[in-house]
Amino acid sequence: QIQLVESGGGVVQPGRSLRLSCAASGFTFSSYAMHWVRQAPGEGLEWVALISYDGSNKYYVDSVKGRFTISRDNSKNTLYLQMNSLTAEDTAVYHCARDRGSSGFYTFDVWGQGTMVTVFS
Amino acid sequence: DIQMTQSPSSLSASVGDRVTITCRASQGISNFLAWFQQKPGKVPRLLMHTASAVQSGVPSRFSGSGSGTDFTLTISSLQPEDVATYYCQKYNSAPLTFGGGTKVEIK
Repeated sequence: QIQLVESGGGVVQPGRSLRLSCAASGFTFSSYAMHWVRQAPGEGLEWVALISYDGSNKYYVDSVKGRFTISRDNSKNTLYLQMNSLTAEDTAVYHCARDRGSSGFYTFDVWGQGTMVTVFS
Repeated sequence: DIQMTQSPSSLSASVGDRVTITCRASQGISNFLAWFQQKPGKVPRLLMHTASAVQSGVPSRFSGSGSGTDFTLTISSLQPEDVATYYCQKYNSAPLTFGGGTKVEIK
């Protein structure tokens, strides 16, 4: 079945880095754009980043531009989010999500369970 | 950036009631509007895309309408399993912004 499994979350000090991974299975990963979406404790959903099916186009929410980098390895069916210069405001559950299309502007139809990132001094 | 505003932020209704949630975009987004349902402790689920296209497996009591800046999600007959927070999202361009959410409870 179609599955997205995130990993790499944890507790980290402000200013440090973390890399999240999202392992995809059950579908042709290289045909779909992918996203990262986060949800702070008790808060709503926030879209974080998008990467097109081949990695040629990337987009970010303003609050993470210059600090976060989305990437993918289609040979490994894996999506990544490199997070640098973390702040307390980045504390959230991070979900990867599959786009309905290849370019990234067709909304999400599959979500992973998420991985928790806590930035705490 | 385009802002998405949902109303109400919460509502309480009886089983069988008709429930309507509104989402307004600060600029026109054509019909690039999705609705998600998030039950407590669960991952969000896509209910609807393209403003009114129901995702496979979603009960027929859910419907969506609108275009441009004003959109609605309607539950024709509220059921106990519909207790959740509902989010709209625009996806025509980055950032793919979500509304603030509408929490639906049973009275």
